Amino acid sequence: KAGVTQTPRYLIKTRGQQVTLSCSPISGHRSVSWYQQTPGQGLQFLFEYFSETQRNKGNFPGRFSGRQFSNSRSEMNVSTLELGDSALYLCASSRWAQGGGYTFGSGTRLTVV
Amino acid sequence: GENVEQHPSTLSVQEGDSAVIKCTYSDSASNYFPWYKQELGKRPQLIIDIRSNVGEKKDQRIAVTLNKTAKHFSLHITETQPEDSAVYFCAATSNTGNQFYFGTGTSLTVIP
Repeated sequence: KAGVTQTPRYLIKTRGQQVTLSCSPISGHRSVSWYQQTPGQGLQFLFEYFSETQRNKGNFPGRFSGRQFSNSRSEMNVSTLELGDSALYLCASSRWAQGGGYTFGSGTRLTVV
Repeated sequence: GENVEQHPSTLSVQEGDSAVIKCTYSDSASNYFPWYKQELGKRPQLIIDIRSNVGEKKDQRIAVTLNKTAKHFSLHITETQPEDSAVYFCAATSNTGNQFYFGTGTSLTVIP
């Protein structure tokens, strides 16, 4: 069965631009979470969606937003990009109601120049 | 919210030796504790997990122990091999499962 798919894999953007990242969870998984991974900060939680509702949000500025569609696919958007937003953005899906843990996608490597 | 601390941040062992990584958590409501392995340039992958109603779980060379009273859990890797070299993350979550709290990671190097 297909894993968690994130697109695009790599992205280079200029400061001030905005970006949209996409995540397609494993079929049947309704929970999608987003994490930012940087070398010095580890895995920082951005937000989690379940059945199109944001259930939890981490300590990131309002420039970071997300949504989830009825087919459980999720997008995250970062507006007014800053150099410090350069990171690997990981999406994870889970079927928590059935006792499952996270399955991560391969991530989107965002570079802001 | 939950706070997960992980030690050590780096660990080097000789091939064949054992490696132990320890994590502590703060929220007594946490009841699910997974461990992830992330090889360089790859995504984190679940290698073992434990629930709060179990004290120990083993899968071949990997084992996890949980002490609910002390709020700590540990990953044990025996007979380490070079392919065990990676960054390992512990995590904790509660019944809602809507947020996993991760430790800061341990970079394990197995020296051939």
